[in-house]
Amino acid sequence: DIQLTQSPSFLSASLGDRVTITCRASQGISSYLAWYQQKPGKAPKLLMYAASTLQSGVPSRFSGSGSGTEFTLTISSLQPEDFATYYCQQRQDYPLTFGGGTKVEIK
Amino acid sequence: EVQLVESGGGLVQPGGSLRLSCAVSGFTLSDHSMDWVRQAPGKGLEWVGRTRNKANSYTTEYAASVKGRFAISRDDSKNSLYLQMNSLKTEDTAVYYCARDTQYYYMDVWGKGTTVTVSS
Repeated sequence: DIQLTQSPSFLSASLGDRVTITCRASQGISSYLAWYQQKPGKAPKLLMYAASTLQSGVPSRFSGSGSGTEFTLTISSLQPEDFATYYCQQRQDYPLTFGGGTKVEIK
Repeated sequence: EVQLVESGGGLVQPGGSLRLSCAVSGFTLSDHSMDWVRQAPGKGLEWVGRTRNKANSYTTEYAASVKGRFAISRDDSKNSLYLQMNSLKTEDTAVYYCARDTQYYYMDVWGKGTTVTVSS
């Protein structure tokens, strides 16, 4: 199985901060990576797919990059609605796998 | 509006069975692959399985943790997806989400989830 390791697992940041979350794959997954945002008690929401393509309706302060085994999700200026848990997910191979999550909290 | 609504969750004893449903609206189900994803209390997301679309013969894939115990089916005429769960274990306790796949096999629409609790 392809393991996805996210870092950090917890992040404390202030409004307006630039935030970067990393996702490392245990083997190359080309650009077959998505990022999801999940708020407490809610379903995940697709933010980014194919590593760097912004899902329709997602604010442009979110960006993604990477290929192969290392990927990043960046929020250019943290807004109140961005405090949530973020997950990466690979679709290179079955079983589909998710990273362990990064919880972004208010400093 | 595209919408997915799960139902069928509840409390079941270990070894029991449960059938979850996902009612879809706002799109043509036969055009899309669909996934089930679960989340144990306080834990991360775990993919359960997938049914591909009509063009790909509705074939299925499963996580090793549920293979042989869970089965995904669909009835496109009823706009519904199902997850039959047998031989349930306490570790199957989770919120179960259904999700629609894009043409590139990313999960772009999710239901609100239904809670399954396996306990004696």
